[in-house]
Amino acid sequence: GDSVTQMEGPVTLSEEAFLTINCTYTATGYPSLFWYVQYPGEGLQLLLKATKADDKGSNKGFEATYRKETTSFHLEKGSVQVSDSAVYFCALSDPTGYSTLTFGKGTMLLVSP
Amino acid sequence: NAGVTQTPKFRVLKTGQSMTLLCAQDMNHEYMYWYRQDPGMGLRLIHYSVGEGTTAKGEVPDGYNVSRLKKQNFLLGLESAAPSQTSVYFCASRFRGSTDTQYFGPGTRLTVL
Repeated sequence: GDSVTQMEGPVTLSEEAFLTINCTYTATGYPSLFWYVQYPGEGLQLLLKATKADDKGSNKGFEATYRKETTSFHLEKGSVQVSDSAVYFCALSDPTGYSTLTFGKGTMLLVSP
Repeated sequence: NAGVTQTPKFRVLKTGQSMTLLCAQDMNHEYMYWYRQDPGMGLRLIHYSVGEGTTAKGEVPDGYNVSRLKKQNFLLGLESAAPSQTSVYFCASRFRGSTDTQYFGPGTRLTVL
């Protein structure tokens, strides 16, 4: 079945540091790929998405590129802020079914001033 | 628009008790989903619905039942709660299009003693 593997956390960074959170996937067909963010005590919000190979999703300074050859969708940000502290989930959606989402286990990011 | 709302926000049950979680959306979405979130496990799909009157099982359906009598509401029931069902439950919804984003509610934190 489909699966998503993302790096374990927590990831601890100082403000303005560069962020990478790795995500790789296993899927049949051509899934859409997503990054969701969960701030403390809240539900999940879509951060960015990509629907086909070589697409780059971007939002709020975050970006990720859909790499079919390496089955990866790594999340990056050039300069993190304290307000970016949250849990980040990588997910895939199989477009051939009812697009149910398969999630990774989540990576907690902690940014200190 | 209220988006996706969930009722209640918190609940404590004793083993064997029953309860129903309500999810409501005002975006006229066709598809609705129930997930549970457990530490270190990410989100796992319990049940989903692709339209009024239809439901389907997800990855972890045992011990839960669902109903979708109205397009805007998706109910999750626990007939006889068990401590293993202690979790945070999230509802999500989206339009039918294959690349459309799922929108999440704020979650219900359920503790079964």
